[in-house]
Amino acid sequence: AQSVTQPDIHITVSEGASLELRCNYSYGATPYLFWYVQSPGQGLQLLLKYFSGDTLVQGIKGFEAEFKRSQSSFNLRKPSVHWSDAAEYFCACRKLPDKLIFGTGTRLQVFP
Amino acid sequence: DGGITQSPKYLFRKEGQNVTLSCEQNLNHDAMYWYRQDPGQGLRLIYYSQIVNDFQKGDIAEGYSVSREKKESFPLTVTSAQKNPTAFYLCASRSGTGTNTIYFGEGSWLTVV
Repeated sequence: AQSVTQPDIHITVSEGASLELRCNYSYGATPYLFWYVQSPGQGLQLLLKYFSGDTLVQGIKGFEAEFKRSQSSFNLRKPSVHWSDAAEYFCACRKLPDKLIFGTGTRLQVFP
Repeated sequence: DGGITQSPKYLFRKEGQNVTLSCEQNLNHDAMYWYRQDPGQGLRLIYYSQIVNDFQKGDIAEGYSVSREKKESFPLTVTSAQKNPTAFYLCASRSGTGTNTIYFGEGSWLTVV
Protein backbone atom coordinates (compact mmCIF):
# COMPACT_ATOMS: atom_id res chain seq x y z
CA ALA A 1 0.00 0.00 0.00
CA GLN A 2 1.15 3.51 -0.71
CA SER A 3 2.50 5.28 2.37
CA VAL A 4 4.59 8.19 3.59
CA THR A 5 6.87 7.94 6.61
CA GLN A 6 8.39 10.76 8.60
CA PRO A 7 10.71 9.02 11.06
CA ASP A 8 11.29 12.03 13.31
CA ILE A 9 8.35 13.13 15.44
CA HIS A 10 10.16 16.05 17.03
CA ILE A 11 13.39 17.85 16.12
CA THR A 12 15.12 20.62 18.01
CA VAL A 13 17.76 22.86 16.45
CA SER A 14 19.50 26.08 17.35
CA GLU A 15 18.78 29.20 15.36
CA GLY A 16 21.27 29.49 12.52
CA ALA A 17 21.93 25.76 12.37
CA SER A 18 21.22 23.66 9.31
CA LEU A 19 18.12 21.50 9.13
CA GLU A 20 17.16 18.26 7.44
CA LEU A 21 13.73 16.67 7.85
CA ARG A 22 13.38 13.13 6.59
CA CYS A 23 10.62 11.72 4.43
CA ASN A 24 10.35 8.25 2.90
CA TYR A 25 7.61 7.14 0.56
CA SER A 26 6.33 3.86 -0.73
CA TYR A 27 4.97 4.05 -4.27
CA GLY A 28 5.46 1.93 -7.37
CA ALA A 29 5.71 4.63 -10.00
CA THR A 30 7.27 8.08 -10.03
CA PRO A 31 5.54 9.90 -7.20
CA TYR A 32 4.25 13.43 -6.92
CA LEU A 33 5.74 14.66 -3.63
CA PHE A 34 5.02 17.68 -1.47
CA TRP A 35 6.19 19.39 1.69
CA TYR A 36 3.73 21.49 3.68
CA VAL A 37 4.24 23.58 6.82
CA GLN A 38 1.66 24.22 9.52
CA SER A 39 1.81 26.81 12.27
CA PRO A 40 -0.21 26.01 15.42
CA GLY A 41 -3.95 26.19 14.81
CA GLN A 42 -3.53 27.11 11.16
CA GLY A 43 -3.96 25.49 7.80
CA LEU A 44 -1.19 23.96 5.70
CA GLN A 45 1.02 26.07 3.47
CA LEU A 46 2.79 24.51 0.51
CA LEU A 47 6.59 24.80 0.74
CA LEU A 48 7.57 22.94 -2.41
CA LYS A 49 6.67 20.10 -4.72
CA TYR A 50 8.28 17.55 -7.01
CA PHE A 51 6.62 16.11 -10.08
CA SER A 52 9.48 15.28 -12.45
CA GLY A 53 12.73 16.65 -13.83
CA ASP A 54 15.43 18.16 -11.65
CA THR A 55 15.60 16.17 -8.42
CA LEU A 56 16.61 19.19 -6.33
CA VAL A 57 13.57 21.38 -5.81
CA GLN A 58 13.59 24.91 -4.45
CA GLY A 59 10.71 26.20 -2.39
CA ILE A 60 9.59 29.20 -0.42
CA LYS A 61 11.22 30.53 2.76
CA GLY A 62 14.65 29.23 1.73
CA PHE A 63 13.71 25.54 1.83
CA GLU A 64 14.80 22.92 -0.66
CA ALA A 65 14.21 19.20 -1.03
CA GLU A 66 15.93 16.44 -2.92
CA PHE A 67 14.18 13.50 -4.53
CA LYS A 68 16.23 10.30 -4.36
CA ARG A 69 14.54 7.42 -6.11
CA SER A 70 17.13 4.86 -4.99
CA GLN A 71 16.40 5.68 -1.35
CA SER A 72 12.67 6.40 -1.78
CA SER A 73 13.29 9.68 0.01
CA PHE A 74 12.33 13.32 -0.32
CA ASN A 75 14.15 15.09 2.51
CA LEU A 76 13.59 18.75 3.27
CA ARG A 77 16.58 20.99 3.99
CA LYS A 78 17.40 24.51 5.00
CA PRO A 79 20.96 25.79 5.46
CA SER A 80 20.20 28.20 8.31
CA VAL A 81 17.08 27.97 10.45
CA HIS A 82 15.26 31.03 11.74
CA TRP A 83 13.13 31.12 14.88
CA SER A 84 10.08 31.71 12.68
CA ASP A 85 10.59 28.27 11.10
CA ALA A 86 9.30 26.60 14.26
CA ALA A 87 6.20 24.72 13.11
CA GLU A 88 5.02 21.28 12.06
CA TYR A 89 6.13 19.94 8.72
CA PHE A 90 4.27 17.39 6.65
CA CYS A 91 5.49 15.35 3.72
CA ALA A 92 2.82 14.10 1.31
CA CYS A 93 2.53 11.94 -1.77
CA ARG A 94 -0.25 12.08 -4.32
CA LYS A 95 -2.16 8.85 -4.68
CA LEU A 96 -3.95 8.60 -7.99
CA PRO A 97 -6.50 9.44 -9.04
CA ASP A 98 -7.05 12.27 -6.63
CA LYS A 99 -5.79 11.92 -3.07
CA LEU A 100 -2.89 13.08 -0.93
CA ILE A 101 -1.31 10.65 1.52
CA PHE A 102 0.36 12.41 4.45
CA GLY A 103 3.10 11.47 6.84
CA THR A 104 2.46 11.94 10.55
CA GLY A 105 4.46 15.15 10.64
CA THR A 106 7.65 16.43 12.27
CA ARG A 107 7.46 19.16 14.87
CA LEU A 108 10.39 21.57 14.64
CA GLN A 109 11.48 23.53 17.68
CA VAL A 110 14.07 26.29 17.31
CA PHE A 111 16.17 27.52 20.22
CA PRO A 112 17.69 31.02 20.16
CA ASP B 1 -8.51 37.86 -2.38
CA GLY B 2 -8.65 34.34 -3.74
CA GLY B 3 -8.60 31.49 -1.33
CA ILE B 4 -10.37 28.88 0.71
CA THR B 5 -12.58 30.05 3.57
CA GLN B 6 -13.63 27.77 6.38
CA SER B 7 -16.19 28.67 9.01
CA PRO B 8 -16.62 28.69 11.88
CA LYS B 9 -13.06 28.67 13.19
CA TYR B 10 -14.19 27.25 16.54
CA LEU B 11 -17.30 25.21 17.19
CA PHE B 12 -18.64 23.45 20.25
CA ARG B 13 -21.21 20.71 19.97
CA LYS B 14 -23.15 18.68 22.46
CA GLU B 15 -23.10 14.95 22.11
CA GLY B 16 -25.90 13.70 19.88
CA GLN B 17 -26.07 16.83 17.75
CA ASN B 18 -25.17 17.18 14.10
CA VAL B 19 -22.97 20.08 13.06
CA THR B 20 -22.05 21.46 9.63
CA LEU B 21 -18.68 22.98 8.76
CA SER B 22 -18.59 25.37 5.85
CA CYS B 23 -15.95 25.47 3.11
CA GLU B 24 -16.04 28.00 0.28
CA GLN B 25 -13.41 28.61 -2.40
CA ASN B 26 -13.20 31.35 -5.01
CA LEU B 27 -10.26 29.81 -6.87
CA ASN B 28 -12.49 28.18 -9.49
CA HIS B 29 -11.04 24.82 -8.47
CA ASP B 30 -12.78 21.63 -9.57
CA ALA B 31 -11.75 19.28 -6.77
CA MET B 32 -12.39 19.78 -3.06
CA TYR B 33 -11.44 17.74 -0.01
CA TRP B 34 -12.07 17.36 3.70
CA TYR B 35 -9.32 16.15 6.00
CA ARG B 36 -9.35 15.45 9.71
CA GLN B 37 -6.26 16.11 11.83
CA ASP B 38 -5.56 14.51 15.19
CA PRO B 39 -2.33 14.89 17.16
CA GLY B 40 0.32 12.40 16.09
CA GLN B 41 -1.76 11.00 13.24
CA GLY B 42 -1.20 13.45 10.43
CA LEU B 43 -4.09 14.20 8.13
CA ARG B 44 -6.71 11.65 7.13
CA LEU B 45 -9.07 12.03 4.20
CA ILE B 46 -12.78 12.09 5.00
CA TYR B 47 -14.44 12.88 1.65
CA TYR B 48 -13.46 14.37 -1.67
CA SER B 49 -15.25 15.68 -4.70
CA GLN B 50 -13.82 16.00 -8.19
CA ILE B 51 -16.83 17.70 -9.80
CA VAL B 52 -20.16 19.20 -8.84
CA ASN B 53 -22.85 16.75 -7.72
CA ASP B 54 -20.30 13.98 -7.22
CA PHE B 55 -18.19 12.94 -4.25
CA GLN B 56 -16.32 9.90 -2.93
CA LYS B 57 -15.59 8.51 0.49
CA GLY B 58 -12.08 8.81 1.80
CA ASP B 59 -10.41 6.68 4.45
CA ILE B 60 -12.55 7.72 7.43
CA ALA B 61 -15.98 8.65 6.03
CA GLU B 62 -18.10 6.91 8.67
CA GLY B 63 -20.15 9.41 10.68
CA TYR B 64 -19.69 12.20 8.14
CA SER B 65 -21.66 13.46 5.15
CA VAL B 66 -21.02 16.02 2.41
CA SER B 67 -22.71 17.70 -0.52
CA ARG B 68 -21.39 19.42 -3.63
CA GLU B 69 -24.26 21.40 -5.12
CA LYS B 70 -22.05 24.28 -6.23
CA LYS B 71 -18.50 24.32 -7.52
CA GLU B 72 -17.34 26.75 -4.87
CA SER B 73 -18.93 25.06 -1.83
CA PHE B 74 -18.27 21.73 -0.10
CA PRO B 75 -19.88 21.62 3.37
CA LEU B 76 -19.12 18.80 5.80
CA THR B 77 -21.69 17.53 8.29
CA VAL B 78 -20.43 15.75 11.36
CA THR B 79 -23.28 13.53 12.48
CA SER B 80 -24.07 12.05 15.85
CA ALA B 81 -22.88 8.73 14.47
CA GLN B 82 -19.28 9.95 14.55
CA LYS B 83 -17.98 8.50 17.80
CA ASN B 84 -15.01 10.75 18.36
CA PRO B 85 -15.62 13.99 16.47
CA THR B 86 -13.38 16.33 18.45
CA ALA B 87 -10.63 17.28 16.00
CA PHE B 88 -9.23 19.91 13.67
CA TYR B 89 -10.89 19.82 10.24
CA LEU B 90 -9.19 21.07 7.10
CA CYS B 91 -10.78 21.81 3.76
CA ALA B 92 -8.70 21.85 0.59
CA SER B 93 -9.08 22.31 -3.13
CA ARG B 94 -7.24 21.62 -6.39
CA SER B 95 -7.56 22.97 -9.87
CA GLY B 96 -8.60 20.43 -12.47
CA THR B 97 -6.48 21.86 -15.24
CA GLY B 98 -3.43 19.65 -15.01
CA THR B 99 -1.91 20.87 -11.78
CA ASN B 100 -1.44 18.43 -8.95
CA THR B 101 -1.17 20.86 -6.09
CA ILE B 102 -3.73 20.88 -3.29
CA TYR B 103 -4.25 24.09 -1.31
CA PHE B 104 -5.68 24.26 2.21
CA GLY B 105 -7.98 26.50 4.19
CA GLU B 106 -7.23 27.68 7.71
CA GLY B 107 -9.15 24.91 9.42
CA SER B 108 -12.02 24.55 11.89
CA TRP B 109 -11.77 23.30 15.45
CA LEU B 110 -14.66 21.14 16.56
CA THR B 111 -15.04 20.25 20.23
CA VAL B 112 -17.73 17.95 21.56
CA VAL B 113 -18.82 18.86 25.07
